[in-house]
Amino acid sequence: SAVISQKPSRDICQRGTSLTIQCQVDSQVTMMFWYRQQPGQSLTLIATANQGSEATYESGFVIDKFPISRPNLTFSTLTVSNMSPEDSSIYLCSVDPLDSQETQYFGPGTRLLVL
Amino acid sequence: AQKVTQAQTEISVVEKEDVTLDCVYETRDTTYYLFWYKQPPSGELVFLIRRNSFDEQNEISGRYSWNFQKSTSSFNFTITASQVVDSAVYFCALSEEGAAGNKLTFGGGTRVLVKP
Repeated sequence: SAVISQKPSRDICQRGTSLTIQCQVDSQVTMMFWYRQQPGQSLTLIATANQGSEATYESGFVIDKFPISRPNLTFSTLTVSNMSPEDSSIYLCSVDPLDSQETQYFGPGTRLLVL
Repeated sequence: AQKVTQAQTEISVVEKEDVTLDCVYETRDTTYYLFWYKQPPSGELVFLIRRNSFDEQNEISGRYSWNFQKSTSSFNFTITASQVVDSAVYFCALSEEGAAGNKLTFGGGTRVLVKP
């Protein structure tokens, strides 16, 4: 199984600012995924991050608001830009390891509160 | 488009009772994967099971068991002899193989409260 860490684990931010969340995996992975979980809700996929190419965004999410970097096979960042209180959520990174028999594992999440 | 429905938003049981969580899915693909995850109050997502669309065998793991019925597009999860530590939100999810990788579509989740 893949071990995933995220930084920061939680943060309180002011509206209008931006926050960059880091996701680190202990092994090389093909796909990395970013999900959002709004309070009391389910998880929604924001985008898929591939190394060496632009991220693929889901409907309702745009690059200007959620820019993503994927500089190598073990690391990715998600930035939440120009934050508003509606962005208060848990942001989770997940990975799909190179071994196709593996499943998707999730990081511990970043709890974001925007005031 | 794929969809996952967990009709039960919250279930409350007394310890040692059995609890079954329903999951119904929609997909046009013939190859897909179904998952169950547990999210305890601490917030992390704990992987419980992954099942591919060609394997309809039911599975038992300790007090957990899963019933996959392709005919009804259901993948139900039963906790036998529930314990307080089982209190969590449980998510059913579906992934389809595709160029963008095995991205997951989640159901709305079922909150399970096990009372002592």
